[in-house]
Amino acid sequence: QITLKESGPTLVKPTQTLTLTCTFSGFSLSSSGLAVGWLRQAPGKAPEWLALNYWDDDKRYKPSLKNRLTVIKDTSKNEVVLRMTNMDPVDTATYYCTHYQTRNHVGFDFWGQGAKVTVSS
Amino acid sequence: QSVVTQPPSASGTPGQRVIISCSGSRPNFGNNFVYWYKQLPEMAPQLLIYANDQRSSGVPDRLSGSKSGTSASLAISGLRSEDEADYYCTSWDDSLDTWVFGGGTKLTVL
Repeated sequence: QITLKESGPTLVKPTQTLTLTCTFSGFSLSSSGLAVGWLRQAPGKAPEWLALNYWDDDKRYKPSLKNRLTVIKDTSKNEVVLRMTNMDPVDTATYYCTHYQTRNHVGFDFWGQGAKVTVSS
Repeated sequence: QSVVTQPPSASGTPGQRVIISCSGSRPNFGNNFVYWYKQLPEMAPQLLIYANDQRSSGVPDRLSGSKSGTSASLAISGLRSEDEADYYCTSWDDSLDTWVFGGGTKLTVL
């Protein structure tokens, strides 16, 4: 059974760096074809893709946010960390980590419950 | 304005068939697969359809996806109260180098 859970601060101040940890079970990020993805969803808006960290440590970022994002995987701990610098109130959203399967083009098939992050002074 | 467009709302009565459409362009729908997600209030999105028309595990066969050119649709037959939710379509965009999502369709079961 695949599960993922996001953890981190619920409130960050503008200009601070957000660090979220995705802890997962039911799969290994060393398995070929797998990745952990990060998406966010502002209140009342559609989801927005942020980043993907693949099993071979290839990383992809949303181009418009690339300068602010870093994803790091720790395969031994079954964790992937998302760092987002220079936070702004417009970054207020629920942040999700996901299991991503490239085989058969399945995509983002399992999602964590989400971590609500508010950016405010 | 979203790169991918879908109607903001749709509705139907129990037992009816409802179709939610989604319109993209060549760099996204034209070149890549389309995916559909269902989202209940305060819950994470749930994958319904992947690779245009493949149902995700556990998704009933009264839900079906299709794609033609740069348009895609999600059909729900035998509408039930539990189908009331927000539905999103998405695809990879080769030009923007990112996943693009439609703005979402709120389905109401009358």
